[in-house]
Amino acid sequence: GENVEQHPSTLSVQEGDSAVIKCTYSDSASNYFPWYKQELGKGPQLIIDIRSNVGEKKDQRIAVTLNKTAKHFSLHITETQPEDSAVYFCAASRNNAGNMLTFGGGTRLMVKP
Amino acid sequence: NAGVTQTPKFQVLKTGQSMTLQCAQDMNHNSMYWYRQDPGMGLRLIYYSASEGTTDKGEVPNGYNVSRLNKREFSLRLESAAPSQTSVYFCASKAGTSTGELFFGEGSRLTVL
Repeated sequence: GENVEQHPSTLSVQEGDSAVIKCTYSDSASNYFPWYKQELGKGPQLIIDIRSNVGEKKDQRIAVTLNKTAKHFSLHITETQPEDSAVYFCAASRNNAGNMLTFGGGTRLMVKP
Repeated sequence: NAGVTQTPKFQVLKTGQSMTLQCAQDMNHNSMYWYRQDPGMGLRLIYYSASEGTTDKGEVPNGYNVSRLNKREFSLRLESAAPSQTSVYFCASKAGTSTGELFFGEGSRLTVL
């Protein structure tokens, strides 16, 4: 089955700096790569996703890049703000019935004011 | 606009006791999922239901059973709770049966003594 590794497990940045979180996956058939943000006491929420026919996708201050050859993808947050502090999860799946997502272990991002 | 609702939010059980976690969604979604979240391990899929009337095992199904009662409701049952089942449980739903956004509930924290 799929295995997703996520690094780093914790990340501390100054407000205004950029943050980068990296994930690798094992199943070359995976073609859907979402990122979820989990705030304290809440369920995860989708912030951005990318499919394998695209190398990069941006949405305001967040962007995701995908390297299918190397089987890794990254989340980039620019101009970080205190409200970006949360746990971020990457995930990967095939486009199969049920679409079972395999999640990485999570990154706790702390943005210091 | 409730989205995905889970009950109970907190529960303490003794080893060997049974309980059912309830989940309901009001978005007319086809697919529903149960995940468990443990520190450093991300979210791991327990069971899922790609559509009403079907259920399938995920990554960690042992010790659990599920019922897709109707399109709205998907319950998770622990027949004989064990300390290893201490975790935070999340229910999620998705509109279609292929790739797409998962909508999560706020979680149920279960402690087994």
